[in-house]
Amino acid sequence: KAGVTQTPRYLIKTRGQQVTLSCSPISGHRSVSWYQQTPGQGLQFLFEYFSETQRNKGNFPGRFSGRQFSNSRSEMNVSTLELGDSALYLCASSDDPRSGDTIYFGEGSWLTVV
Amino acid sequence: AQSVTQLDSQVPVFEEAPVELRCNYSSSVSVYLFWYVQYPNQGLQLLLKYLSGSTLVESINGFEAEFNKSQTSFHLRKPSVHISDTAEYFCAVSAGTYKYIFGTGTRLKVLA
Repeated sequence: KAGVTQTPRYLIKTRGQQVTLSCSPISGHRSVSWYQQTPGQGLQFLFEYFSETQRNKGNFPGRFSGRQFSNSRSEMNVSTLELGDSALYLCASSDDPRSGDTIYFGEGSWLTVV
Repeated sequence: AQSVTQLDSQVPVFEEAPVELRCNYSSSVSVYLFWYVQYPNQGLQLLLKYLSGSTLVESINGFEAEFNKSQTSFHLRKPSVHISDTAEYFCAVSAGTYKYIFGTGTRLKVLA
């Protein structure tokens, strides 16, 4: 079974631009979560989607948004990029995280904002 | 709300020595507990998890963790570490909701 796939792996953007990151979950998984990882902050929860519906959202500004498609693939978008948005963005998929199901992470998308 | 505290940001240890990585959590409801490992330039991989039942859980590569409800802890231990165990380790908690709360991570550095 293929793992969680994230694209692109690395990207550099300029302040004020926007970026879209893509995530393909493990086949059969309907839940997709997104996390931001920065040094010293650990992983911060962005949002979770299940069957195309956002079920939960973390404490991030409205510049961070996401969506999920009918095939469970997900995208997240960050508009009006700021230097502080530089981070590793991790996507994770599971059957349903509410029951303690393991969430499986992709290798992440490294975003650098200059 | 839940929170997770990993008390040590870095832990250096010599090869074949024992190690303990500490994790404490806070929650007013029952939780599921996890340890994930992250190797350089990779995503996180599940090491072990506690859902219910036996408070001692083990991984396939020799790590173990014990759920202690009274001390709200879930410390990770290994009796003899290898160079290949060098990585960052994250403790996480879930209260049966859609999100996991992660600690800030502990960098384990195994020295030859």
